[in-house]
Amino acid sequence: DVKVTQSSRYLVKRTGEKVFLECVQDMDHENMFWYRQDPGLGLRLIYFSYDVKMKEKGDIPEGYSVSREKKERFSLILESASTNQTSMYLCASTRGSLNEQFFGPGTRLTVL
Amino acid sequence: GENVEQHPSTLSVQEGDSAVIKCTYSDSASNYFPWYKQELGKGPQLIIDIRSNVGEKKDQRIAVTLNKTAKHFSLHITETQPEDSAVYFCAATPYNNNDMRFGAGTRLTVKP
Repeated sequence: DVKVTQSSRYLVKRTGEKVFLECVQDMDHENMFWYRQDPGLGLRLIYFSYDVKMKEKGDIPEGYSVSREKKERFSLILESASTNQTSMYLCASTRGSLNEQFFGPGTRLTVL
Repeated sequence: GENVEQHPSTLSVQEGDSAVIKCTYSDSASNYFPWYKQELGKGPQLIIDIRSNVGEKKDQRIAVTLNKTAKHFSLHITETQPEDSAVYFCAATPYNNNDMRFGAGTRLTVKP
């Protein structure tokens, strides 16, 4: 059974803290994605990676960075968390260019 | 870039009735159109997809239709059941998953 796991389901952080969200997939997928999900806005792409150590900006990269040191792991970093980064964060992976994306269960981040 | 609009934002039906969710897209080059279902507390999961070389695809109670001329596609669920209650997202992309854009989502409620 294919699986994408995220390190936390719920996270509460303070403004200005550095936040790490971890994502691991066990399907040997080359492509991994970080999305942000907000009511009425759907899923918006923050960053994606198509190979180890490779990363590309999505539609809303400001305030975020990513790291992919191993094929199975893709990390999202909030350098200095702000209240407007309170959201649901979804990680996904896929093989190839136009195939099913497999999503993790999401991390609901609250920044106070 | 691609822009996807999805309607309605909420939909309530009686068990056994049909449900239809509609999406429009802006980029005429788009050629892959997946639909994802997100149940409470879970990440989105692909339920059906269609590529531009076909006009309709069915999988048991679920069907998707595509009108490339009008640039719209729809999800049809027949004989709805309470377990169909979820948020549904449409998406479209012209080239690859990196360019995929999601609709804002439709919250479907099936009343028993």
